[in-house]
Amino acid sequence: TQLLEQSPQFLSIQEGENLTVYCNSSSVFSSLQWYRQEPGEGPVLLVTVVTGGEVKKLKRLTFQFGDARKDSSLHITAAQTGDTGLYLCAGGGYGGSQGNLIFGKGTKLSVKP
Amino acid sequence: DTAVSQTPKYLVTQMGNDKSIKCEQNLGHDTMYWYKQDSKKFLKIMFSYNNKELIINETVPNRFSPKSPDKAHLNLHINSLELGDSAVYFCASSQGGAREKQFFGPGTRLTVL
Repeated sequence: TQLLEQSPQFLSIQEGENLTVYCNSSSVFSSLQWYRQEPGEGPVLLVTVVTGGEVKKLKRLTFQFGDARKDSSLHITAAQTGDTGLYLCAGGGYGGSQGNLIFGKGTKLSVKP
Repeated sequence: DTAVSQTPKYLVTQMGNDKSIKCEQNLGHDTMYWYKQDSKKFLKIMFSYNNKELIINETVPNRFSPKSPDKAHLNLHINSLELGDSAVYFCASSQGGAREKQFFGPGTRLTVL
């Protein structure tokens, strides 16, 4: 059973465009993390959101945690080629487990010059 | 300085062989993990190991056995390798539970022929 659904699965845009990636679940998570993974490397944490309704900004990236803590979104403004990569959302604290993250299947973003 | 390191980076072997992947973290973290990322980039937790307590994911075949000689190391031994074991295996570490930032290693690409 896939607990976290990410959409879209693939996204190809031109430099300068805006985009939003979604992460949805029917389950409640105590926290939601967003990672970016580049080819041949491990995922790198971008942000953690823990409070329902929370919004965090990281330069051109805006992360939002849903009020019910079941969904999250990542919005990128004026995308750059350096934003290219696999974006993964990960839910923490599901079922009371400690230390285990449940990952979505990822959104592969390609930003073309 | 590398925070989480894995060896080898690539591993090609025949079906039925036994192999090990090593992981070391120099962050002083108390929790380490092994993840498997399949060809579709789905990242799934295999094991987490916190202060000598091993949490086994029940979907992992018992051919996979983690071994932790000390807090900074968590190795993964795989017996009787099968074609379906081909994937990228990531080691990660964190200080604390699921809400905390996880630091991932660069991954080990295992190919079983």
